[in-house]
Formats: sequence, structure tokens, C-alpha cells
Amino acid sequence: DAKTTQPPSMDCAEGRAANLPCNHSTISGNEYVYWYRQIHSQGPQYIIHGLKNNETNEMASLIITEDRKSSTLILPHATLRDTAVYYCIACTGTASKLTFGTGTRLQVTL
Amino acid sequence: KAGVTQTPRYLIKTRGQQVTLSCSPISGHRSVSWYQQTPGQGLQFLFEYFSETQRNKGNFPGRFSGRQFSNSRSEMNVSTLELGDSALYLCASSLSQHQETQYFGPGTRLLVL
Repeated sequence: DAKTTQPPSMDCAEGRAANLPCNHSTISGNEYVYWYRQIHSQGPQYIIHGLKNNETNEMASLIITEDRKSSTLILPHATLRDTAVYYCIACTGTASKLTFGTGTRLQVTL
Repeated sequence: KAGVTQTPRYLIKTRGQQVTLSCSPISGHRSVSWYQQTPGQGLQFLFEYFSETQRNKGNFPGRFSGRQFSNSRSEMNVSTLELGDSALYLCASSLSQHQETQYFGPGTRLLVL
């Protein structure tokens, strides 16, 4: 799996968009970008994934650069409940294990 | 549809004992993976089972083992517990061996004294 790099922490005001960056400059053509988050002491929660195109679901949007070397997870209107550690993972669709890095600790404040 | 369930949620053991943790995947999911999470090492992959066969294994000693039953439920066992085995053990299920979207359970928090 390609290595990913994320900032260790970010702050965001409630109601504003949270933009979480991820660098995956060594990603290969068959690797997807996955995002999970882990709220304190709970199991990680799947958010979204993509290969080349931008993706959107009810939780978030994923913007992948054209060269696929980086991506941004966007939470359009962050709430206090979005405070969590966010993990960006690059992996193939046939691999069975996820390699978690240290993630970004997002703190949403009033 | 019910999510991934893990039992027990909390467990206290002493060094040298053994422990068995249980995981029930989402109905219809056939792949189960196990992860260990500690403050020092973060989330680390233990092993993955599909159709009752271990398909992938992480870098853990042989004291850590697992199995999967015909109904896709899985158990993991840790023998001769060490203090460093204190961790949150997470189980994740996915639809098939080729489905990367994994759905995690709440975890079992193990404390070894």
C-alpha cells in the first residue's frame, strides 16, 4: 500500500467546512483512496473512497487531484460530533488489510 | 441491518492467562479482519479470514491466533498474555475478499495486569 501523509491535527469552527488534506505521492494506478474516522474509543467508521473521480456521499466529499498524488476530504458543515481522528488510506481493491497511519486529529469547536 | 458486534466489550486478565474474543460480522459479510490498537503502535492489522481460511496475517507472534466458523463468525485467541497485549481489539467485516470497504465493530478493550 502507498504511504500517506496527513497533518497531525487541525481545528475547525462548528458550521464551517473542514478540509482535511492527504498526500499519497507514491500511489499506484490500481490503488483507491479510502477515508475512515475514529471517534474516541469507538471502532473506525468508513466515510468515503475514490479512485480518480471526485466522490460525494451523505457524509463528505472527496476531491482527488488529477495526478492522484493528493486528496482532500471535505466535511461541508462540521459539527462537534465530527471531532475525531481521520485516516487516509491508499490500498488496492483486492487487498484484505488496511494500513492505518497516525491520521489527523480534527477538533471542531464552538 | 445490525452492525458488527464484538463480545465481550471489556475484559481484565492477568499475565500468563489466555483470552478469546468473539466477533459477529454484518449479515452476509464473509470476510472478517482483526486489528489491535494501542497508544504506542496505533492500529495494526492482525489477520483476516474468508470462508473459514486465514487469508492474510500481520506481524504478530504465534500467541495470537484466530479462526472463522461456517456462519462467518470469528474468534481470536491470545495465549500467555503479556502486559503489552493490553489494547483495543477491533474486528471489521466486509462483503467479500475483494471488498475493501470494511465495517468495524466497537472493539473489545483488554487490560492485562
